[in-house]
Amino acid sequence: GESVGLHLPTLSVQEGDNSIINCAYSNSASDYFIWYKQESGKGPQFIIDIRSNMDKRQGQRVTVLLNKTVKHLSLQIAATQPGDSAVYFCAERPTSWAGTASKLTFGTGTRLQVTL
Amino acid sequence: NAGVTQTPKFRVLKTGQSMTLLCAQDMNHEYMYWYRQDPGMGLRLIHYSVGEGTTAKGEVPDGYNVSRLKKQNFLLGLESAAPSQTSVYFCASTTSGAYEQYFGPGTRLTVT
Repeated sequence: GESVGLHLPTLSVQEGDNSIINCAYSNSASDYFIWYKQESGKGPQFIIDIRSNMDKRQGQRVTVLLNKTVKHLSLQIAATQPGDSAVYFCAERPTSWAGTASKLTFGTGTRLQVTL
Repeated sequence: NAGVTQTPKFRVLKTGQSMTLLCAQDMNHEYMYWYRQDPGMGLRLIHYSVGEGTTAKGEVPDGYNVSRLKKQNFLLGLESAAPSQTSVYFCASTTSGAYEQYFGPGTRLTVT
């Protein structure tokens, strides 16, 4: 598949354990955040999103936490499975881009490796 | 419902050659985007479109042109390919008022 990121930080987690992937975003004025999952050779896939007026949002096996004070976003994956192995990256939407075609700024990503 | 599709999946060009990448979406989305993804870097926006017949420059537009003649299609052209354009290219789309972008599977382009 494509070389998504040869120099990405890597998180190794044992199957069944919980994973926490972190993202430091750049713009304190961003009002919307997304986590994407990218498997080898595929395009990014939406996982979960959160607006800046929230500090936590839960999905199926995933939780996103937002700390606006320190501009930090985290993705928690419960009971990590081999199929969770992928690159995960966050994206933010600066409010200065409001009304400008829903543009996003993307982070570089973290590679999650699930070991058996 | 195929979502976002991209053609071709792989391509090798020699420096100076031209080519066009095709993106098609069947979700009736107004907004479409072209990104490039390079090792160690986040997705970078090349060009985008907010509707049929309209295009705008993104973060890294130099060396690329785009056209959106039909709502469902967004074409990315390289007039004179350079080795610096070796990358994986992704197309994405979303509907007006939404922020979640839906991505295609990507095109791996190598320029020698």
